[in-house]
Amino acid sequence: EVQLVESGGGLAQPGGSLRLSCEASGFSFSSYAMSWVRQGPGKGLEWVSAISASGGSTYYADSVKGRFTISRDSSKNTLYLQMNSLRVEDTAVYFCAKREPGQFFDYWGQGTLVTVSS
Amino acid sequence: QSALTQPASVSGSPGQSITISCTGTSSDVGNYNLVSWYQQHPGKAPKVMIHEDSKRPSGVSNRFSGSKSGNTASLTISGLQAEDEADYYCCSYAGSFTWVFGGGTKLTVL
Repeated sequence: EVQLVESGGGLAQPGGSLRLSCEASGFSFSSYAMSWVRQGPGKGLEWVSAISASGGSTYYADSVKGRFTISRDSSKNTLYLQMNSLRVEDTAVYFCAKREPGQFFDYWGQGTLVTVSS
Repeated sequence: QSALTQPASVSGSPGQSITISCTGTSSDVGNYNLVSWYQQHPGKAPKVMIHEDSKRPSGVSNRFSGSKSGNTASLTISGLQAEDEADYYCCSYAGSFTWVFGGGTKLTVL
């Protein structure tokens, strides 16, 4: 059974940092590209970042480019999102998602809440 | 990376059919056969219902179908059931390994 479990969310001050983790199980983690998608309070889904299966290629939404860094550790079956220079508008539930070659997200974690507030 | 346009809400009675539209541009929806649709119940993770415009994952009811014409994709749910009440999001691949979601549509089953 595929499982994705996010952690690392919490309260951060504007300008601060947080690192999210997503532990994967039930599939060959090193064979699949992964993404982070977020959802602000009462808002819709927003794609944030993607990483290739090898980890050699990374991609970002304009809203987080230069502030967030996606990475993965296949030895730990874990996906990460390092979030720096946090802004109030980064407040959201962050989901990690497994990406299929058809460019869709077939499995999602339960999400972790990030709140940016002074 | 502008969000795709969806109606904020749609409604229907049990047994009826509804269609949710999703309008993008020639750079995303109209340029790739890579629109997916997600169902999200309150407090839950999204679940893929349709991918690659019209393909249905195994386990998803055949009451759900997807189509596309030009820059507009559509999700149709036939034989509405109470459990279909949820938020629905479209998503399109937008090139260069970026994706864009719609603003979401709240489906109410009357």
